[in-house]
Amino acid sequence: AAGVIQSPRHLIKEKRETATLKCYPIPRHDTVYWYQQGPGQDPQFLISFYEKMQSDKGSIPDRFSAQQFSDYHSELNMSSLELGDSALYFCASSLDPWAEASTDTQYFGPGTRLTVL
Amino acid sequence: GQQVMQIPQYQHVQEGEDFTTYCNSSTTLSNIQWYKQRPGGHPVFLIQLVKSGEVKKQKRLTFQFGEAKKNSSLHITATQTTDVGTYFCAGPGMKTSYDKVIFGPGTSLSVIP
Repeated sequence: AAGVIQSPRHLIKEKRETATLKCYPIPRHDTVYWYQQGPGQDPQFLISFYEKMQSDKGSIPDRFSAQQFSDYHSELNMSSLELGDSALYFCASSLDPWAEASTDTQYFGPGTRLTVL
Repeated sequence: GQQVMQIPQYQHVQEGEDFTTYCNSSTTLSNIQWYKQRPGGHPVFLIQLVKSGEVKKQKRLTFQFGEAKKNSSLHITATQTTDVGTYFCAGPGMKTSYDKVIFGPGTSLSVIP
């Protein structure tokens, strides 16, 4: 079965550079979530989108922005990167919450490991 | 705000022993989800519990949802080295069912062969 696809899998950037992470949800999933997981920490919610509109916002820094496109893929844009931004960034997707099937179950992608030097 | 707590934070068991992790929420949950994350891997969805008092089993794993829907447990019978990883419980955000899940801090399980 198709899973959530994230690219790139690994990214190395210098301080103050920008980075763009991409997420392709499971087909028919129209809700996308972004999480940041630092070393030894639990995933921290950043932001989510439902039907291309921002549905919720967590601890996402102002230097980050995200959007969901018409094909439901999402991109997380990170600017003025700092050393503390080094982390695993997970994208997760779920079904339309009003669909008949299990709704807010989130399926995670493999993550993008960002290293800021 | 809503908080999800898990105990213990770490558990080391001998292979073959049982293991249980407990999850407690400060508020009533519409559902609770469990995830497993292997070292260096990504969270993998295990199960979702919806009904009060619900019990579900997956092979050696038994999941329970409390009667008040504020706590849950995951029990592994006769642990194996493949069970190593961090087990997270997660409850839905407070607003609607499709909001962010609130992860507990996780229980890290080590299995000694």
